[in-house]
Amino acid sequence: NAGVIQTPRHKVTGKGQEATLWCEPISGHSAVFWYRQTIVQGLEFLTYFRNQAPIDDSGMPKERFSAQMPNQSHSTLKIQSTQPQDSAVYLCASSPRTGGNYAEQFFGPGTRLTVL
Amino acid sequence: TQTVSQSDAHVTVFEGDSVELRCNYSYGGSIYLSWYIQHHGRGLQFLLKYYSGNPVVQGVNGFEAEFSKSDSSFHLRKASVHWSDSAVYFCAASPGSALGRLHFGAGTQLIVIP
Repeated sequence: NAGVIQTPRHKVTGKGQEATLWCEPISGHSAVFWYRQTIVQGLEFLTYFRNQAPIDDSGMPKERFSAQMPNQSHSTLKIQSTQPQDSAVYLCASSPRTGGNYAEQFFGPGTRLTVL
Repeated sequence: TQTVSQSDAHVTVFEGDSVELRCNYSYGGSIYLSWYIQHHGRGLQFLLKYYSGNPVVQGVNGFEAEFSKSDSSFHLRKASVHWSDSAVYFCAASPGSALGRLHFGAGTQLIVIP
């Protein structure tokens, strides 16, 4: 089991460019989560999917961020017109739902996005 | 306001010492509480969780946590730490009303001196 795979591990973009981050969840897990981690804000929830359907995107900045899960084997987080404040580590997690909840999540290593 | 508070930003102990990392939460209703560990440059790793039943839950690598409703706490403990336990520890809550998303505390960096 390779765990949650995130690519690329590092991405550098110029201000105004687009960035697409990829996540491959653990096979068989029904939920996929995206979080953002910065020194100042800590760990912030962005969005999550259950059985590929979007369930909660309340943490997503509405205008430039979007996430999709076109099939059970991968999810993408797209940031349009990136800004320096988007610089962060973006973490993807998947969960198999044990005991009726997703409190046990398996995290990938993250993608460090740097916007110049 | 729903919050998870970790009052200690840093905790330093010697190898072999016991340690307690504190977590307090502020939520109404049912809640799942969990602890995660993050080694430098890596993703988070699940340690343990609590929802109901025995308030003391056991996790991996000798960690345990105790839930207290009266204190609104879920403190993490280990009886004898190893230098490899040095990492950042995050307490997280998942309210029953919004199953799924985790609300994280700010984290506590544990430094174990060999």
